[in-house]
Amino acid sequence: EVQLVESGGGLVQPGGSLRLSCAASGFTFSSSWMHWVRQAPGKGLVWVSRINPDENKSTYADSVKGRFTISRDNAKSTLYLQMNSLRAEDTAVYYCARAAHDYGGNYHPWGQGTLVTVSS
Amino acid sequence: SSELTQDPAVSVALGQTVRITCQGDSLRTYYAAWYQQKPGQAPVLVIYGENNRPSGIPDRFSGSTSEDTASLTITGAQAEDEADYYCNSRDSSGSRVFGGGTKLTVL
Repeated sequence: EVQLVESGGGLVQPGGSLRLSCAASGFTFSSSWMHWVRQAPGKGLVWVSRINPDENKSTYADSVKGRFTISRDNAKSTLYLQMNSLRAEDTAVYYCARAAHDYGGNYHPWGQGTLVTVSS
Repeated sequence: SSELTQDPAVSVALGQTVRITCQGDSLRTYYAAWYQQKPGQAPVLVIYGENNRPSGIPDRFSGSTSEDTASLTITGAQAEDEADYYCNSRDSSGSRVFGGGTKLTVL
């Protein structure tokens, strides 16, 4: 069974940093493109970032470029999102997602997400 | 960057058919995927590719695309289909984009 378990969320002050983790199991993590998607309270889904299986290519949404860094440890089947210079507008539930080849590269299934709150 | 446009809200009478649409230039090249999200829950993939459903998704859900518009159709909507629906696609750089979401109310 494919499982994605996010952790590392919490309350952080504006300008602070936080690192999210996503533990993956049930599939070949080292062969999968991985993404982060976020959802602000009461708002829609927003794509944040992606990383290729070989850890050497990443893409970011303009809203987080230069502040967030996606990375992975294939040996540990774990995805990370380092978030720096956090702003109130970064407050959201953060989901990690697998671009599943068997589902046209779409996200299936999703983890439960981890809540990040940026507030003083 | 690409954009996908959805109607904010749609309603349907119980048992009737409803179509939720998603418009964007990227849909001329890439298929949309559709996700269902109920309050307090993570999204669930309901349609992907030309018109494919993951295991466990009822066959009353179907998808189609015409030019720059993708559609999710629910034929015989049920009370449990009341949810937010998001379309998602990609652009040439590999970035992904979501529509703003459509809140479906089943009357």
